[in-house]
Amino acid sequence: QKEVEQDPGPLSVPEGAIVSLNCTYSNSAFQYFMWYRQYSRKGPELLMYTYSSGNKEDGRFTAQVDKSSKYISLFIRDSQPSDSATYLCAMSDVGGSQGNLIFGKGTKLSVKP
Amino acid sequence: DSGVTQTPKHLITATGQRVTLRCSPRSGDLSVYWYQQSLDQGLQFLIQYYNGEERAKGNILERFSAQQFPDLHSELNLSSLELGDSALYFCASSPLGTGGAYWSAGELFFGEGSRLTVL
Repeated sequence: QKEVEQDPGPLSVPEGAIVSLNCTYSNSAFQYFMWYRQYSRKGPELLMYTYSSGNKEDGRFTAQVDKSSKYISLFIRDSQPSDSATYLCAMSDVGGSQGNLIFGKGTKLSVKP
Repeated sequence: DSGVTQTPKHLITATGQRVTLRCSPRSGDLSVYWYQQSLDQGLQFLIQYYNGEERAKGNILERFSAQQFPDLHSELNLSSLELGDSALYFCASSPLGTGGAYWSAGELFFGEGSRLTVL
């Protein structure tokens, strides 16, 4: 079993839809949870960051972490064509200069006008 | 623009050859990370340098090596290339501090990658 599992999609939704993206993980030591967005032919960029369990909201984006279920989610409200990208979950169990992130394989999202 | 510069953007070479990928981190960032991205494996951590010293190692093959220079730029050397080494190689930098529990919001700033094709 891989440390981080993410459905690769592709996921296609109409503009305005609510999108739910998810990852599961197996390492209970993970404490830092992130979502990165990667446009085609670009590097990933940080979208959301959460420490430990709970919810975090930023505009149309909400990140949820359920450590008891080892499950994280990203919700996108009122999705836009500009949200079309690959979304990568990432997590880490350490901080400081020795940290590195374990990424999911990414879910490709397409938002149709 | 993340501020991280990678060269070359594209590279085509033959099996058995050696290539060097270069990365200039964001101004002031001391940590440099190298990642490999392929369709089947996703984004895989290779190695991290902090202020010139190796700090963490991931799934980096013995045929691969990296270093970070005094001006903080980094190079990833890939030798005895195989077809399976074809992938996108990303460099990322981070404004991490000197250690301890501080995690700078998990933000790695990625370059646009170097696409390596081995024929």
